[in-house]
Amino acid sequence: EDQVTQSPEALRLQEGESSSLNCSYTVSGLRGLFWYRQDPGKGPEFLFTLYSAGEEKEKERLKATLTKKESFLHITAPKPEDSATYLCAVQGTGRRALTFGSGTRLQVQP
Amino acid sequence: EAGVAQSPRYKIIEKRQSVAFWCNPISGHATLYWYQQILGQGPKLLIQFQNNGVVDDSQLPKDRFSAERLKGVDSTLKIQPAKLEDSAVYLCASSLEGGPYEQYFGPGTRLTVT
Repeated sequence: EDQVTQSPEALRLQEGESSSLNCSYTVSGLRGLFWYRQDPGKGPEFLFTLYSAGEEKEKERLKATLTKKESFLHITAPKPEDSATYLCAVQGTGRRALTFGSGTRLQVQP
Repeated sequence: EAGVAQSPRYKIIEKRQSVAFWCNPISGHATLYWYQQILGQGPKLLIQFQNNGVVDDSQLPKDRFSAERLKGVDSTLKIQPAKLEDSAVYLCASSLEGGPYEQYFGPGTRLTVT
């Protein structure tokens, strides 16, 4: 059974204070690891897909990296508008649907 | 490009009543998913359609939940009868066929069962 664990559950940063969110996973053959952002009252918004260990992707202040056991979402010099819940999900070869973690609630204070 | 549409956005019902949710996916997306998201948790798959056919409904409580996708486009999810523990946000998502392709989510329907 595919499993995803995210840490920390919640993170409070000052504006400009860089940090990383962790996503540990176990999956029977990784087809893809996905990062989503979810704002209160909205559906998850797609950020990145990573396919193999060593891969990295960047978008504005966000950078996602992948190893064989975990993924990190690095946030550089965050702004208050980066405040949201960040969800990690995996798709394994045995199942086409995504298995999500419980998310990290990020709050960036001005 | 229009996103995934869902209605209603909010619904309050009493336990043992029935409720239905509607989803219109992104045009051209053959795969449609229904997820349940309980407060503080990540989305959990209920059912996945590939065009008109069901691909995965292993976590759908079939004694009370049902879903259909007519003509490979719109889909409805029904709960009958509802229980208190069904209170959650019901998310619809769609993606291209094959993959692994990213899934695009609608705004969700927040269901409260009293």
